[in-house]
Amino acid sequence: SQKIEQNSEALNIQEGKTATLTCNYTNYSPAYLQWYRQDPGRGPVFLLLIRENEKEKRKERLKVTFDTTLKQSLFHITASQPADSATYLCALYSSASKIIFGSGTRLSIRP
Amino acid sequence: EAGVAQSPRYKIIEKRQSVAFWCNPISGHATLYWYQQILGQGPKLLIQFQNNGVVDDSQLPKDRFSAERLKGVDSTLKIQPAKLEDSAVYLCASSSGLAGGPAKNIQYFGAGTRLSVL
Repeated sequence: SQKIEQNSEALNIQEGKTATLTCNYTNYSPAYLQWYRQDPGRGPVFLLLIRENEKEKRKERLKVTFDTTLKQSLFHITASQPADSATYLCALYSSASKIIFGSGTRLSIRP
Repeated sequence: EAGVAQSPRYKIIEKRQSVAFWCNPISGHATLYWYQQILGQGPKLLIQFQNNGVVDDSQLPKDRFSAERLKGVDSTLKIQPAKLEDSAVYLCASSSGLAGGPAKNIQYFGAGTRLSVL
């Protein structure tokens, strides 16, 4: 069956360091992938989108990579700040626009 | 522009009771989604509408859940009768759904309705 796995444990890192979150998938051929941020008590907010034929996308301090051979996407936040603390979700889309969300990774940035 | 509106924000009911949630998407968005998010998990798609037609309802427990999107604008999700395991946050999202590549599927979420079934 189709499966998406994100970092199983919460991620705690020091302010200023780079946070790296993983999204691995099996039995799925996504046409593209999105990353969302979710704060407690709120709905997810879109951050970045990357297509299957793209290796990397950047937006300010954010970078996403997509490796269809490894079936993995990495999400990086450089120069992390306490305000970056949130849960980050990956969402995979098939060519038919079928959607699956991962379980999310809770990121905590300590000052 | 106004975001996705959902109501109520919170609802507490007893098992076997009925409950309904309402969603008003961003104006002009053709695609509307309902998700169930259990604590500590990612959103699980329940149903996806394109205008007022159903695109995907494969994970909707149709014996107790129903949803409609009359006139292709706002939508209602109903649970009847509720079970304890239905306790979750119910999220509504919309996307433009228009032609033009993956950007049409960027989703804008409401704040959700937190349901507690006792």
